[in-house]
Amino acid sequence: DGGITQSPKYLFRKEGQNVTLSCEQNLNHDAMYWYRQDPGQGLRLIYYSQIVNDFQKGDIAEGYSVSREKKESFPLTVTSAQKNPTAFYLCASSRGTGATSGANVLTFGAGSRLTVL
Amino acid sequence: DAKTTQPTSMDCAEGRAANLPCNHSTISGNEYVYWYRQIHSQGPQYIIHGLKNNETNEMASLIITEDRKSSTLILPHATLRDTAVYYCIVRGGGFGNEKLTFGTGTRLTIIP
Repeated sequence: DGGITQSPKYLFRKEGQNVTLSCEQNLNHDAMYWYRQDPGQGLRLIYYSQIVNDFQKGDIAEGYSVSREKKESFPLTVTSAQKNPTAFYLCASSRGTGATSGANVLTFGAGSRLTVL
Repeated sequence: DAKTTQPTSMDCAEGRAANLPCNHSTISGNEYVYWYRQIHSQGPQYIIHGLKNNETNEMASLIITEDRKSSTLILPHATLRDTAVYYCIVRGGGFGNEKLTFGTGTRLTIIP
């Protein structure tokens, strides 16, 4: 079945360490996204990518980095510059730029929960 | 993207229809209305979307007012599994509208 796989599901990090969250999709979607969710809050956009080798900052990109070397993969690195990284991270994908009109439905992964010790 | 306003929380009896309202008074002509839901500690799940006409699928119905300034998501026979946070989002389709912002949504609790 097609879908989005995020790993790891749970991750613990010491302060000052960089960590990378994996996101892989087999939906042949052009666009991919990373969101952050804090307890009781909505989702905030970190980065998004409309096409391979291109990505844009979202609303809260500081302290994060991404790459898009393959259509299927969009890893997120949480750097030591991120002051409050403990959160639930969600990856999503959509048809994106392949659709010149019409709706753009997002498919989400199951999420990765990062805790800084 | 147009801003949406949803009630913070709602309760509904099991087996009854759950009607979740959403106001989007600043919606523009090319913006779709989307509904997602998020069960605790899981990724959001797409439910339904619409542009102008009412829509129905196996999960729910979406009623959009004629002026498009508000909409209602209807879960016809709510079950305990429908307890979740429901997000209403509006955004344009096509190229250049990739950003999608989720607010805090409506926490729906289905009461046995």
